[in-house]
Amino acid sequence: EAGVTQFPSHSVIEKGQTVTLRCDPISGHDNLYWYRRVMGKEIKFLLHFVKESKQDESGMPNNRFLAERTGGTYSTLKVQPAELEDSGVYFCASSTGSSRNTQYFGPGTRLTVL
Amino acid sequence: GDSVTQMEGPVTLSEEAFLTINCTYTATGYPSLFWYVQYPGEGLQLLLKATKADDKGSNKGFEATYRKETTSFHLEKGSVQVSDSAVYFCALSGTRSGNTPLVFGKGTRLSVIA
Repeated sequence: EAGVTQFPSHSVIEKGQTVTLRCDPISGHDNLYWYRRVMGKEIKFLLHFVKESKQDESGMPNNRFLAERTGGTYSTLKVQPAELEDSGVYFCASSTGSSRNTQYFGPGTRLTVL
Repeated sequence: GDSVTQMEGPVTLSEEAFLTINCTYTATGYPSLFWYVQYPGEGLQLLLKATKADDKGSNKGFEATYRKETTSFHLEKGSVQVSDSAVYFCALSGTRSGNTPLVFGKGTRLSVIA
């Protein structure tokens, strides 16, 4: 069974540009989460999808971040326009509805905004 | 709100040394507790978990016991190997069942030298 995959693994962009990150969860996992780790800080929750619906987006930092999950499969996280403080590693995780919160993580996307 | 505090790293040990990484938490209700590990170049992997007080999670020689009276979930291993070099994250979820976001500690980098 394939794990959670994320693309790209690295992205370097300039301030003001747009970047879109993609996450493919484990097949059949209804729950999909985005997290972010800024250098030296905790991994912070961004948002949670259940299928295609946003269950909780309380961690989204501002309206420059837009997440979608069309058809309840893969998800994208767009940052537009990117700012320096958006640099960090963006993790995606997925879980089933009955997994008692065991979340399976992808390798992350390292975003660098110059 | 909920929070996790874990010992600051980095931690450097010789092979076969005993490892303890301290983790304490603040949460309302009855959280589930987790240790995740991130090996170099890889994503987060679930190492072990415990869902109620006095439960002991164990995997790959690592152990942690859910101590409600001291709100702790310290990670231990009796004899570390070079292959255990990684970053270790303590985390909690706010409910014992269901699917809720994880709250992470800052991570502890472990280096094991031969």
